[in-house]
Amino acid sequence: DVKVTQSSRYLVKRTGEKVFLECVQDMDHENMFWYRQDPGLGLRLIYFSYDVKMKEKGDIPEGYSVSREKKERFSLILESASTNQTSMYLCASSTNTGGVGYTFGSGTRLTVV
Amino acid sequence: RKEVEQDPGPFNVPEGATVAFNCTYSNSASQSFFWYRQDCRKEPKLLMSVYSSGNEDGRFTAQLNRASQYISLLIRDSKLSDSATYLCVVNRNNNDMRFGAGTRLTVKP
Repeated sequence: DVKVTQSSRYLVKRTGEKVFLECVQDMDHENMFWYRQDPGLGLRLIYFSYDVKMKEKGDIPEGYSVSREKKERFSLILESASTNQTSMYLCASSTNTGGVGYTFGSGTRLTVV
Repeated sequence: RKEVEQDPGPFNVPEGATVAFNCTYSNSASQSFFWYRQDCRKEPKLLMSVYSSGNEDGRFTAQLNRASQYISLLIRDSKLSDSATYLCVVNRNNNDMRFGAGTRLTVKP
């Protein structure tokens, strides 16, 4: 079974803090993605990566950065957390074969106070 | 206009009912299509892929109409355990997936 593991299930951080969300997959997938999910808005793509050290902006990259130093790990960084970044963050991975869906991690519910 | 649109519901149906969800997409170059299921406070999980010829998996049937750019999901003989949010997902190309906001289904005894 493909496994995508997110380091924290729940996280509470203060405004202005630098926040790291970690995601690790164990199936040698090339592609990794970070989404946030908010009620009524669905999943919105923040950043994605098709290869090690490669990153591309998604639809809402502002206020975020990412790091992919190893194939299995994709980190999302909130440079200076703000209350409007309170959300559910979902990491996903997939292969390059195309036409195949994503596998998601169990999500990190981040609250910024 | 959102790239993938779904009726948010909620759909409240009795056990045993048949229920159908539709989804429309705007990018005619989209290449592959999926339905995901998401339980409350859990991650989305792949329910089924959607093929042009239509496909069935037990009580679930998915259909794709490329000409009209819509996808459907039919659930027959609804079970209580089918209660969830169903996400329509469109793969533009090269794994660039777009998600609908989801349709919430509640199956009642």
